[in-house]
Amino acid sequence: KQEVTQIPAALSVPEGENLVLNCSFTDSAIYNLQWFRQDPGKGLTSLLLIQSSQREQTSGRLNASLDKSSGRSTLYIAASQPGDSATYLCAVRHGIQGAQKLVFGQGTRLTINP
Amino acid sequence: DAGVTQSPTHLIKTRGQQVTLRCSPISGHKSVSWYQQVLGQGPQFIFQYYEKEERGRGNFPDRFSARQFPNYSSELNVNALLLGDSALYLCASSPWGVPQPQHFGDGTRLSIL
Repeated sequence: KQEVTQIPAALSVPEGENLVLNCSFTDSAIYNLQWFRQDPGKGLTSLLLIQSSQREQTSGRLNASLDKSSGRSTLYIAASQPGDSATYLCAVRHGIQGAQKLVFGQGTRLTINP
Repeated sequence: DAGVTQSPTHLIKTRGQQVTLRCSPISGHKSVSWYQQVLGQGPQFIFQYYEKEERGRGNFPDRFSARQFPNYSSELNVNALLLGDSALYLCASSPWGVPQPQHFGDGTRLSIL
């Protein structure tokens, strides 16, 4: 059974700092890994998608890496801003070809202090 | 282009009642998935539908059912509501069979009294 863990559960840092969020998964047989952002009471916004054959993806101040063999992914946020405050979720696509079941971690609640 | 739309945004029901939640996928997306997110936890997979057929089911009781229509929209039905069904219900759409990201709607907040 695929299990996804995110550490830390919560993180509070001052504005301007670079930070790293961690995600680990137990079964390396994944198709891809997706990072999401969730604002309070809202749905999920897709940030980055890394295919199983890729090592990293970048979008603006965000960089996500994937080490499938060790079951780990990191989300790096550069020069953090108060608007980055949200819960960040990672999810792995796991299952038979075509099926698009995502298995989520519990998220990291990030607070950027002005 | 419109994103994934869900209705209603909020719903209050009492134990034992039945509820129907609705989802319209992004234009061109033929696959719809449903997730349940209890407060403080990550979303849990409930169902995936493609071409009106169930393609995946999570570990949820038979009180949960869903269907997909010819226009690819979908409904999630929950019967005999329990207090534990209180959650944010999220719908996601994506193209089928290609490694594309799933796109989520804003969800329906269901509260059971």
